[in-house]
Amino acid sequence: GQNIDQPTEMTATEGAIVQINCTYQTSGFNGLFWYQQHAGEAPTFLSYNVLDGLEEKGRFSSFLSRSKGYSYLLLKELQMKDSASYLCAVRPYTGGFKTIFGAGTRLFVKA
Amino acid sequence: DADVTQTPRNRITKTGKRIMLECSQTKGHDRMYWYRQDPGLGLQLIYYSFDVKDINKGEISDGYSVSRQAQAKFSLSLESAIPNQTALYFCATSDDRGGYTFGSGTRLTVV
Repeated sequence: GQNIDQPTEMTATEGAIVQINCTYQTSGFNGLFWYQQHAGEAPTFLSYNVLDGLEEKGRFSSFLSRSKGYSYLLLKELQMKDSASYLCAVRPYTGGFKTIFGAGTRLFVKA
Repeated sequence: DADVTQTPRNRITKTGKRIMLECSQTKGHDRMYWYRQDPGLGLQLIYYSFDVKDINKGEISDGYSVSRQAQAKFSLSLESAIPNQTALYFCATSDDRGGYTFGSGTRLTVV
């Protein structure tokens, strides 16, 4: 089967760093995505990894290890507005095969 | 204008009624999707379409139907709404690498 696991909830302090992990088991791999979703709103694209390593974009970074079926999203200098759910998603194949979404990690940032 | 527009944003309907949710996009993407989201369950795929003549069932298609009227338009119908179809519904498009752009969502309540 196809499965994506990520923690249900995390809490962190404003100004700190938090790492949200994602593990996946899928039949093939053609890219991993992270999305941010504020409550009641649409998910928005954060990052894309298809090769092993770290992709950095401002305060957010995403890491991928294909051999381990593992990714993490790193958020630095946390702000209150970072309180949201973070969805890990994997595209199993090329050719337009549909993307599989994890259930999301709800992050609470406290003052 | 938003890249992916959903109407209505909110809808309350009675059990047994037929209801249509509409989606239009200006991204020029061939691939379009309908998802529902329930608390704690993440995004579940209802139907997807990879071009105007292509319609595919997702994980939870029972009780739903779709129509791809044009490249830019993809509508979702509930033929006879039931209370457990109360959820947040998202339309989305994807680019060639699989990155999604979501609409703002339709909050549907079936009473």
